Amino acid sequence: EVQLLESGGTVVRPGGSLRLSCEASGFKFDDYAMSWVRQAPGKGLEWVSHINWSGGLQRYVDSVRGRFTISRDNARNTLYLQMDNLGDEDTAFYFCAMKGVDNAFDMWGQGTLVTVSS
Amino acid sequence: QSALTQPASVSGSPGQSITISCTGTSNDVGAYDYVSWYQHHPGEAPKLLIFAVTRRPSGISARFSGSKSGNTASLTISGLQPEDEADYYCCSYAGDVTFVLGSGSKVSVL
Repeated sequence: EVQLLESGGTVVRPGGSLRLSCEASGFKFDDYAMSWVRQAPGKGLEWVSHINWSGGLQRYVDSVRGRFTISRDNARNTLYLQMDNLGDEDTAFYFCAMKGVDNAFDMWGQGTLVTVSS
Repeated sequence: QSALTQPASVSGSPGQSITISCTGTSNDVGAYDYVSWYQHHPGEAPKLLIFAVTRRPSGISARFSGSKSGNTASLTISGLQPEDEADYYCCSYAGDVTFVLGSGSKVSVL
């Protein structure tokens, strides 16, 4: 069964850092590019970051560029999101998603909640 | 990187058809045939319904169909069922390996 399981979400102080993980199973992880998508409370989904199969190409939405770093460890079948200098606006559920053919996200995890609060 | 515009809510009676619009720009929806649609029940993982504007993944009901004209894509749900109550999001490839999602539409079955 194809599965994505996010972890690492917690309460963090403004200006703090956090690393999210997304463990993949049931498919050949290093065949697929991956993205992080977030949903702030009461808001819609927002694409945050993307990484290609090898980790050699990363992209970010403007609001997180320079603060967030996406990476992956294909030996561990795990995707990461390092989040630094967190602000209130980063409070959200964070989902990892597997990009399949035709630039669609075939599979998503159930998300992990990040709360930025003093 | 502004969100694609969707109606906040769409409703219909069981058995009816509804259409959700998704308006972008000539840099995203209008530029690429890479529009996808997702169903999201809060607390669950979003689910892919449509990819490449019109194509359905294996296992997705034919009641879901997609189309595109210019900068606007649409999702039609035919034969509306109670279990279709959910949030729906469009997504477009926006070039240079970036993506933009829609503002989301809450579908209610009356």
